[in-house]
Amino acid sequence: AQTVTQSQPEMSVQEAETVTLSCTYDTSESDYYLFWYKQPPSRQMILVIRQEAYKQQNATENRFSVNFQKAAKSFSLKISDSQLGDAAMYFCAYRSGSGANSKLTFGKGITLSVRP
Amino acid sequence: EAGVAQSPRYKIIEKRQSVAFWCNPISGHATLYWYQQILGQGPKLLIQFQNNGVVDDSQLPKDRFSAERLKGVDSTLKIQPAKLEDSAVYLCASSFLQRGAGEQYFGPGTRLTVT
Repeated sequence: AQTVTQSQPEMSVQEAETVTLSCTYDTSESDYYLFWYKQPPSRQMILVIRQEAYKQQNATENRFSVNFQKAAKSFSLKISDSQLGDAAMYFCAYRSGSGANSKLTFGKGITLSVRP
Repeated sequence: EAGVAQSPRYKIIEKRQSVAFWCNPISGHATLYWYQQILGQGPKLLIQFQNNGVVDDSQLPKDRFSAERLKGVDSTLKIQPAKLEDSAVYLCASSFLQRGAGEQYFGPGTRLTVT
């Protein structure tokens, strides 16, 4: 079974600085997808960024980028120029690329606070 | 485009009572998911529908939980009878694609407290 591990329960960053959130996963599959989701205090989960395992190039979405290390099974999220609105819980998630089941397997999440 | 709608937003019940949650997915999304999110943990899939058929309910406690998606649109999740450990946020999500990198869109969730 696939597992997703987020070992840091909390992190804090100064506004305008850069922060990196860590995630590791375990799988025997070669075809899969990785995601970072953001869950603000209002609790609506939104997708931040996604990475296809077959792509070597790291995904980037504006201030958000990932460092995908497939051999190490590591998938970290970097937030540049942090803003107050980035404060939220962040979840790393895995989805298998094969089969009919497309469920997401989530990590425990990390609470990010942004200091003004 | 309207997002995933859920109701109620909050519910408090006593143990052994029954409760039902409702979800309306984004129009045109054939795949619908119910997740349970216990405080301090990531969401855990309870059940996945493709149209009105069940794709995966392996983690649904079937002795007390049930779900249906009549006509392949709205869905209801029911708990009967509720236990203290059912206190959690119940998230509904939908997606256009069943597989691959397709994004899952989440609703605001229903926070259930069982006393």
